[in-house]
Amino acid sequence: AQSVTQPDIHITVSEGASLELRCNYSYGATPYLFWYVQSPGQGLQLLLKYFSGDTLVQGIKGFEAEFKRSQSSFNLRKPSVHWSDAAEYFCAVGPTGGFKTIFGAGTRLFVKA
Amino acid sequence: GAVVSQHPSWVICKSGTSVKIECRSLDFQATTMFWYRQFPKQSLMLMATSNEGSKATYEQGVEKDKFLINHASLTLSTLTVTSAHPEDSSFYICSALEGGSNTEAFFGQGTRLTVV
Repeated sequence: AQSVTQPDIHITVSEGASLELRCNYSYGATPYLFWYVQSPGQGLQLLLKYFSGDTLVQGIKGFEAEFKRSQSSFNLRKPSVHWSDAAEYFCAVGPTGGFKTIFGAGTRLFVKA
Repeated sequence: GAVVSQHPSWVICKSGTSVKIECRSLDFQATTMFWYRQFPKQSLMLMATSNEGSKATYEQGVEKDKFLINHASLTLSTLTVTSAHPEDSSFYICSALEGGSNTEAFFGQGTRLTVV
């Protein structure tokens, strides 16, 4: 069965420090992978997506993610975190062929001054 | 990018009443739409998948008679929470797949439902 695992429930980083949020997936075929960000009480904003090609993808707000098939991972990174990055981050897989998008449990990012 | 609009953004209703939430694809035709529910500090859980002109497919454990989904056109799907109770209070989000491009779902901004 398809699944997405985000091992870290919450992470705290200092402003200006680098960030890596982990995501592992289980999928029967070549996955379409996504990272979304959600601020409290708000909807989802797409940060980046991977369909094929270059395994390092660039997204909005200075985020990037690397697809590693051998590790079934799609970790999100940012070299320097800003206080405004504090939010909930969701890794997701799918949809393909009209199938549903499956979300990880989410990682809450806290940024300290 | 494609835009999906949900209405209302938030709603408060009395226990026992019904509430309808709309999900519209503004600039594309959505052959498939999805409805998710999100409890506070939790992830999004798929409730149902709806295809235009056919009955929705509900996930296990979701009461189809309580959460009525209608996808009558290629740009509109509605979720009606019938006989709402406080435990139905939640954040409901829809997403839509553009016909012929089943690679990325576009999400609405969500609807906060509070049942009092």
